[in-house]
Amino acid sequence: AQKVTQAQTEISVVEKEDVTLDCVYETRDTTYYLFWYKQPPSGELVFLIRRNSFDEQNEISGRYSWNFQKSTSSFNFTITASQVVDSAVYFCALSRGGGNKLTFGTGTQLKVEL
Amino acid sequence: ETGVTQSPTHLIKTRGQQVTLRCSSQSGHNTVSWYQQALGQGPQFIFQYYREEENGRGNFPPRFSGLQFPNYSSELNVNALELDDSALYLCASSPAPGLADYNEQFFGPGTRLTVL
Repeated sequence: AQKVTQAQTEISVVEKEDVTLDCVYETRDTTYYLFWYKQPPSGELVFLIRRNSFDEQNEISGRYSWNFQKSTSSFNFTITASQVVDSAVYFCALSRGGGNKLTFGTGTQLKVEL
Repeated sequence: ETGVTQSPTHLIKTRGQQVTLRCSSQSGHNTVSWYQQALGQGPQFIFQYYREEENGRGNFPPRFSGLQFPNYSSELNVNALELDDSALYLCASSPAPGLADYNEQFFGPGTRLTVL
């Protein structure tokens, strides 16, 4: 069975602070994919990144960066210099290699205040 | 490129009623998945349709059923509504199974269903 744990229910930061959202996953598959999605108040899930289990390179995209560590089964997401527009619920998700049914974590509510 | 659209946006039903939710997939995508997101939770996979047939199902009872049409749009039907069915229902589309981007799913804005 697959499982995704996002232990941080809610995080509040002041604008321009850096913030890291944690994600720990469980799977017996050797090939799998990890994802991060953003869900603003409007409700639509916005795709941020996909990572496959064979690619442990960290990735940076603008103010966003992701740290994938198979040894600790973690796929953490860092926002640098946070902005009010980053306020949303962020979900980490997992799918099997060759499949696309997503198993989501419970999400982390990020509040960025002025 | 047209994104994933869903209708209606909001819906209020009473216990025991039946509901149909609709989804149009993103242009070029022929696989549609449905998810249920209860308040404060992550989305839960209901089922997926590909080539007008169910292609995988999550842990949901048979009163949750679906259809996919030749134009790849899809419907989610829920019979005998229960209070716990109140949730945001999300539709996601993706390319066909086996393609490199199969597991990149793009979500619609959702339908918020309230069961009274």
